Amino acid sequence: NAGVTQTPKFRVLKTGQSMTLLCAQDMNHEYMYWYRQDPGMGLRLIHYSVGEGTTAKGEVPDGYNVSRLKKQNFLLGLESAAPSQTSVYFCASSYGGPNQPQHFGDGTRLSIL
Amino acid sequence: ELKVEQNPLFLSMQEGKNYTIYCNYSTTSDRLYWYRQDPGKSLESLFVLLSNGAVKQEGRLMASLDTKARLSTLHITAAVHDLSATYFCAVDEEGSNYQLIWGAGTKLIIKP
Repeated sequence: NAGVTQTPKFRVLKTGQSMTLLCAQDMNHEYMYWYRQDPGMGLRLIHYSVGEGTTAKGEVPDGYNVSRLKKQNFLLGLESAAPSQTSVYFCASSYGGPNQPQHFGDGTRLSIL
Repeated sequence: ELKVEQNPLFLSMQEGKNYTIYCNYSTTSDRLYWYRQDPGKSLESLFVLLSNGAVKQEGRLMASLDTKARLSTLHITAAVHDLSATYFCAVDEEGSNYQLIWGAGTKLIIKP
């Protein structure tokens, strides 16, 4: 039961470097989400997708880009990493619908030096 | 702007005691979700509450929703150490494509 898989689990970057976080789900979910979690705060939505080929901005989209070329994958890109982007990133997916909770991956711990 | 506030943010309690976590939100919504997160781990869905007066129970946890008061509660009965975790509530507005706005979380420590 893979569910939602995030890679990598840990990463350290230098300021200005770029990287891509991968989220893969095997539940045939339409909706996928990227969040960041910072100490003492709840999750904040970065971008989300309601289906293959679609993306939309969430609450804190600046500095990030996303793509959903395949239904099962949702990529989060940092074009030029900044220390303020140090965080734990979670991907989630769901069928969509009010009775459908989101299913989360294990998170990616990202440090920007 | 939808805001979600939880209180308390931190709770330390003894095994066997009862306690309630509160989740207030700032706009009309009849959809509220509770999640649990263990330290360094992912988030696990606990309850989905979809209407005024909804009540759901699982073991020692019971969640309720009062949409008129814009309030949800998570009640812990006879707490046990295994319930130590951070509990989050989240709300979405109709028409938002199920975007969740999250509370800051309640860190619950249950001492043996």
